[in-house]
Amino acid sequence: SQQGEEDPQALSIQEGENATMNCSYKTSINNLQWYRQNSGRGLVHLILIRSNEREKHSGRLRVTLDTSKKSSSLLITASRAADTASYFCATEYNFNKFYFGSGTKLNVKP
Amino acid sequence: DTGVSQNPRHKITKRGQNVTFRCDPISEHNRLYWYRQTLGQGPEFLTYFQNEAQLEKSRLLSDRFSAERPKGSFSTLEIQRTEQGDSAMYLCASSLSYRGKETQYFGPGTRLLVL
Repeated sequence: SQQGEEDPQALSIQEGENATMNCSYKTSINNLQWYRQNSGRGLVHLILIRSNEREKHSGRLRVTLDTSKKSSSLLITASRAADTASYFCATEYNFNKFYFGSGTKLNVKP
Repeated sequence: DTGVSQNPRHKITKRGQNVTFRCDPISEHNRLYWYRQTLGQGPEFLTYFQNEAQLEKSRLLSDRFSAERPKGSFSTLEIQRTEQGDSAMYLCASSLSYRGKETQYFGPGTRLLVL
């Protein structure tokens, strides 16, 4: 399977702490994207990083990509209770095909 | 609200019945995707359209599933002779491919329960 897999499966932190989640994948990709999903709702796009990029920032989010290790990480700084959600990485390979991992469930305690 | 709408939001049906879901994408988006998501899992790709052409179908999409996108606008996903294993959230996403960057905008999903 070409699916990305997130690690850890679940993460519980206190408000104000940083949260780091990782994604590993198996084949060469065109880009990798991170999505957030609040309980029982649709997914919201957070950030896209291309295969020739190593790091991107968006607000409190920082994404890194290491194509040699076929892995990516998502860092959420100064977490808030509203960040509680499931986070998925989606890898695009072979153009137009997206594969999602099973997600990291983040719980930020107030 | 991403601008992608799906109807109905919830559907309960009995095994063996047919169901149809509708997705209205963002109007200028040329690509439309269907995914299925079960509890605790990420979305699984089912099929996608470029305008009105259905370009790819996953092996997950059995003969009981059919999708259409007439005129390249809204799309429908029909499941015939539903089975309990079809119970899942069905997600639609639309996108505009530009210079190799494609961000998918997801609808809220249709939650299907087959009794």
